Amino acid sequence: EVQLVESGGGLVQPGGSLRLSCAASGFSFRDYWMTWVRQAPGKGLEWVANVNQDEGDKKYVESVKGRFTISRDNAKNSLYLQMTYLRAEDTALYYCARDGMSFASDVWGQGTTVTVSS
Amino acid sequence: QSALTQPASVSGSPGQSITISCTGTSSDFDGFDTVSWYQQHPGKAPKLMIHGVSERPSGVSNRFSGSKSDNTASLTISGLQVEDEADYYCSSHARSATFRVFGGGTKLTVL
Repeated sequence: EVQLVESGGGLVQPGGSLRLSCAASGFSFRDYWMTWVRQAPGKGLEWVANVNQDEGDKKYVESVKGRFTISRDNAKNSLYLQMTYLRAEDTALYYCARDGMSFASDVWGQGTTVTVSS
Repeated sequence: QSALTQPASVSGSPGQSITISCTGTSSDFDGFDTVSWYQQHPGKAPKLMIHGVSERPSGVSNRFSGSKSDNTASLTISGLQVEDEADYYCSSHARSATFRVFGGGTKLTVL
């Protein structure tokens, strides 16, 4: 079964850091672009970052540039999002997703919740 | 403010057809037909319904179809069913500095 499982979310104070992980199974992880998408409470989807197969190409939404870093370990079938200098507006459910045909996200995890609050 | 504009809500009766629009500027669409549509039921992860403007992934009902004209993409759902009631989001890769954008989402109510 093709599956993505996120972990690492939690409550963190403003200015703090958190590292999200996404474990992939059931497909050849190294062959796909991977993406992080977030959804603030009661709000819509927001693309956060994505990375190509060998980490040679990484892209970020403007609001997280310089604060978040996307990475992957193909040997461990894992995707990561290192988040630093967290702000209240980063509070959201963070989804890991696989980018398939036409760069559409065809497989999604169930998400991990990040809450930034003092 | 989302880069792609969708109506906040649409509604229809079972059996009817509805269309959800997704409008942007020329910089919001990368010109490579990367428009996709996602269905999200409450408390669930999004599900890909359309990719490449009009392609349906395996397992998605043929009641769902997509199209694009100039800077407006559309999702049409025919033969509405109660289980189609959900939020729908469009997405595209962009020519702008933001690599990828989502629409603000449309809540579909099946009356």
